[in-house]
Amino acid sequence: DIQMTQSPSSLSASVGDRVTITCRASQDISNYLAWYHQKPGKVPKLLIYSASTLQSGVPSRFSGGGSGTDFTLTISSLQPEDVATYFCQKYDSAPFTFGPGTKVDIK
Amino acid sequence: EVQLVESGGGLVQPGGSLRLSCATSGFTFGSFEMNWVRQAPGKGLEWVSYISITGSTIYYADSVKGRFTISRDNAKNSLYLQMNSLRAEDTAVYYCARGVITFGGVMNYWGQGTLVTVSS
Repeated sequence: DIQMTQSPSSLSASVGDRVTITCRASQDISNYLAWYHQKPGKVPKLLIYSASTLQSGVPSRFSGGGSGTDFTLTISSLQPEDVATYFCQKYDSAPFTFGPGTKVDIK
Repeated sequence: EVQLVESGGGLVQPGGSLRLSCATSGFTFGSFEMNWVRQAPGKGLEWVSYISITGSTIYYADSVKGRFTISRDNAKNSLYLQMNSLRAEDTAVYYCARGVITFGGVMNYWGQGTLVTVSS
């Protein structure tokens, strides 16, 4: 099965900073990559699918990129409400594996 | 408003069984693929199972294959997960999640989850 990794595992940044999280697949998954975040005590929320398509209602400061095996999620200007754990997920074929997560907080 | 409400969680002994249910409303259940995802306490997300609109296509994570069975009743707008031979490592919050219309494995609506604790 394809393995998903994320880096870093955690990061701390200031409000207004540009933040980038990386997700890597162990094999080519084309652009079948989604991003979610999960705020503390809350249910996961879909942010991006098809590697770069913003889910309806998600702020435009979130963007995704990449294809094949290497992907990025960028928050252009970090806001306090972005404190969350961010997960990537492959969905090219089952199993629809999630990455281990990246915890983002405010410095 | 789309709603997914899980039930059926609880405390069960190792080797026991539980059946989770997910009651849905606010959308045409029979038009969407569905998934179960779990999250062990303090851990990340683990995709568990997927079922197609008609139930003709089903997938499982290796960790639950042969022990868990996903099913759906489109007439009752409900999703189910039969869990047998439960192990301590199955302890988690179990979420049902609706797939987006184009990619069933991408989940844009989630329930609040139901906690399953496997312990003697």
